[in-house]
Amino acid sequence: DSGVTQTPKHLITATGQRVTLRCSPRSGDLSVYWYQQSLDQGLQFLIQYYNGEERAKGNILERFSAQQFPDLHSELNLSSLELGDSALYFCASSASPGGMNTEAFFGQGTRLTVV
Amino acid sequence: GENVEQHPSTLSVQEGDSAVIKCTYSDSASNYFPWYKQELGKRPQLIIDIRSNVGEKKDQRIAVTLNKTAKHFSLHITETQPEDSAVYFCAASYYSGGYQKVTFGTGTKLQVIP
Repeated sequence: DSGVTQTPKHLITATGQRVTLRCSPRSGDLSVYWYQQSLDQGLQFLIQYYNGEERAKGNILERFSAQQFPDLHSELNLSSLELGDSALYFCASSASPGGMNTEAFFGQGTRLTVV
Repeated sequence: GENVEQHPSTLSVQEGDSAVIKCTYSDSASNYFPWYKQELGKRPQLIIDIRSNVGEKKDQRIAVTLNKTAKHFSLHITETQPEDSAVYFCAASYYSGGYQKVTFGTGTKLQVIP
């Protein structure tokens, strides 16, 4: 168990719908990252939050948005869903104590299927 | 921003042989280089990492080397076993502006043939 919790584990929804994926980082980790992984593909970086503020953006579609709350949990909102949005969505967190780079701990992912 | 290239994208080796995966990075500010292993249907997990003040690090059958001048680092797996079959990701990381920045490579699918 990495300490990063993602809910739900599986999600099946129809095209055009909107869903929210939730991530609770490890206790004390201030950075949260979101990644999209399509079948047999790599980790596509979507967005990073640090202590409630957006810090970096990757290839995130305008239909997608995210936020990090004061308790440091994060939510990824996906709207106007298309079949191509079907993927495994990972959340990861890192601590970076005292400015030191540390490993990112991944949640178990949310598998989204758009039908 | 940082750019990490990873090669090869797929790699097949016979059980017992060695496997080498290579990554290059572009930003000299990167000073932390973790490697992650992702088994089918599971989350990526750290298997080994190296910091820029070290040239090589070993952990049993796994080793990582870093050449800061050339901006490349490699993962070496010796005496491969079927359970080593997975996707491996390299990453480059640096700390700037008060937070950590991480860039992943595109992944290498390793198949160990029994």
